[in-house]
Amino acid sequence: GAVVSQHPSWVICKSGTSVKIECRSLDFQATTMFWYRQFPKQSLMLMATSNEGSKATYEQGVEKDKFLINHASLTLSTLTVTSAHPEDSSFYICSLHGRLYGYTFGSGTRLTVV
Amino acid sequence: GQQLNQSPQSMFIQEGEDVSMNCTSSSIFNTWLWYKQDPGEGPVLLIALYKAGELTSNGRLTAQFGITRKDSFLNISASIPSDVGIYFCAGQLLRGGATNKLIFGTGTLLAVQP
Repeated sequence: GAVVSQHPSWVICKSGTSVKIECRSLDFQATTMFWYRQFPKQSLMLMATSNEGSKATYEQGVEKDKFLINHASLTLSTLTVTSAHPEDSSFYICSLHGRLYGYTFGSGTRLTVV
Repeated sequence: GQQLNQSPQSMFIQEGEDVSMNCTSSSIFNTWLWYKQDPGEGPVLLIALYKAGELTSNGRLTAQFGITRKDSFLNISASIPSDVGIYFCAGQLLRGGATNKLIFGTGTLLAVQP
C-alpha cells in the first residue's frame, strides 16, 4: 500500500518563529495533497488542497499568508506556519491522493508554540 | 469548515459487545469512508464505500452507504480492547475536475473495557 512520511512528528517553537512541516510520498506519485488541522478532541478540519505545480486552494477562514504550502513535486508537499502563535498549536496532518491507493494520511505533526 | 454529524459522540462498552455508529449529512456524497485514529497518529482507513446501498465488510467491521447518499453507518461486532480509538466517517464531495476533498465527521470515541 501507499506510504506517506510526515516530518517532524512533533515540534516546539517560540512564538513568532516559523515552522516547516514536510509530507512525502515514498512509493507513489500524488498529484493532490491535502493539509488538515486537528485541535484536541476535535475532528480533522481541511485547511488547504495542494496541487503539484500550482497554487494551493485554501478553505474559508484559513490565512494563506500564514500557512504557506508548497507542492514542488509529485512526492513532496510542505506546510510552513509563519510567525507562529500559541493559538496555532495543533496537530497537523497531511493526506495524499493517488489513483491507485486513494487517500493516505501521514502520521501527523504535533506543533506546540510557546 | 463543513463537518458531518456523527453519533454517538462516545461509547463505553464491555469487551465482546457490538458497536454501531452513524454519520449523516445535508449534502450528497459519492464516496463514504470510515477511519480509525489512535492517539498521536493519522487516521487509518477501515472501509470505503462507493455506491448507494453498498454494504461492505472488513473482518469484524461492516459499513453501509445509505440509499439517500447522505448517511452511512459502521458496525463493529464482538469488540476487543484494541478497538479503542476515535472513529471518523468521511464523505467525498461531488466536484468536477480536480480530486475531490474529504469532509470528516465529528468523531466517535470508543472505549472498550476488558
